[in-house]
Amino acid sequence: NAGVTQTPKFRILKIGQSMTLQCTQDMNHNYMYWYRQDPGMGLKLIYYSVGAGITDKGEVPNGYNVSRSTTEDFPLRLELAAPSQTSVYFCASSYGDNSPLHFGNGTRLTVT
Amino acid sequence: GQQLNQSPQSMFIQEGEDVSMNCTSSSIFNTWLWYKQDPGEGPVLLIALYKAGELTSNGRLTAQFGITRKDSFLNISASIPSDVGIYFCAGHANSGGSNYKLTFGKGTLLTVNP
Repeated sequence: NAGVTQTPKFRILKIGQSMTLQCTQDMNHNYMYWYRQDPGMGLKLIYYSVGAGITDKGEVPNGYNVSRSTTEDFPLRLELAAPSQTSVYFCASSYGDNSPLHFGNGTRLTVT
Repeated sequence: GQQLNQSPQSMFIQEGEDVSMNCTSSSIFNTWLWYKQDPGEGPVLLIALYKAGELTSNGRLTAQFGITRKDSFLNISASIPSDVGIYFCAGHANSGGSNYKLTFGKGTLLTVNP
C-alpha cells in the first residue's frame, strides 16, 4: 500500500514550457486535491475532485488544468509555465468529504 | 477567504524542552487540525479537534480547541530531534467541514538542537 505517489520529485522548466505533474493513489479514495506550497505561505488549494469525471477549482486555479479519468489518478497540467508557478506541489486524497487528508511527498518545480 | 494566524513563525529549542504554538482566527472555526511536515515529505495529520474546549493528546503532543472557537494550541513535551519539521494548523470555518474549504495556517518551523 503505497498511499499517494507523486512524480517527478523535482523539475526545472523554462518559461512557456508545459508539463504534467502525476499523482496516483491506491487507497480507493474518491476525493483528490492539488495544493501548492510557497515559503512561509502555507498550503493553497489549486483544484480538487470528488470522484472520477468530476473536477472543480480551488482557491488558486489560474494557469493549471486537471483531469480525473480514473479513481486512482489526478494529473495536474501546466500549459505555459511562468516564474510565479515556482513552488512545491502536493497531491492529497481522502476517503470522504471531511476525512483526513493523505498527502504525497511533493513535486518541487522551478520555472526560470 | 478565511485566514489563520499561526505563531510563532519559527522556534529554535534544545532537546528536552517543551514547545507551544498556536493558531488564531478572526472568525469561528468548527474543526481544528494539526499537521506535521517532515523535511522533503508531505504533511501528516497529528491531531484533529471537533468540539470547543476539546483537549486531545497523541503521545507527547497535546492540542486544544479554544472555547471561543477562534483559536487552537499545540504543545509538544520533552522535545526530541525527530520533532524537527513544519507544524501547520488547519480548520474548517463552515459547518459540514468539506476538505475543499479547509484553510491552512502558514506554519511553524521547529528546530531542535540535540
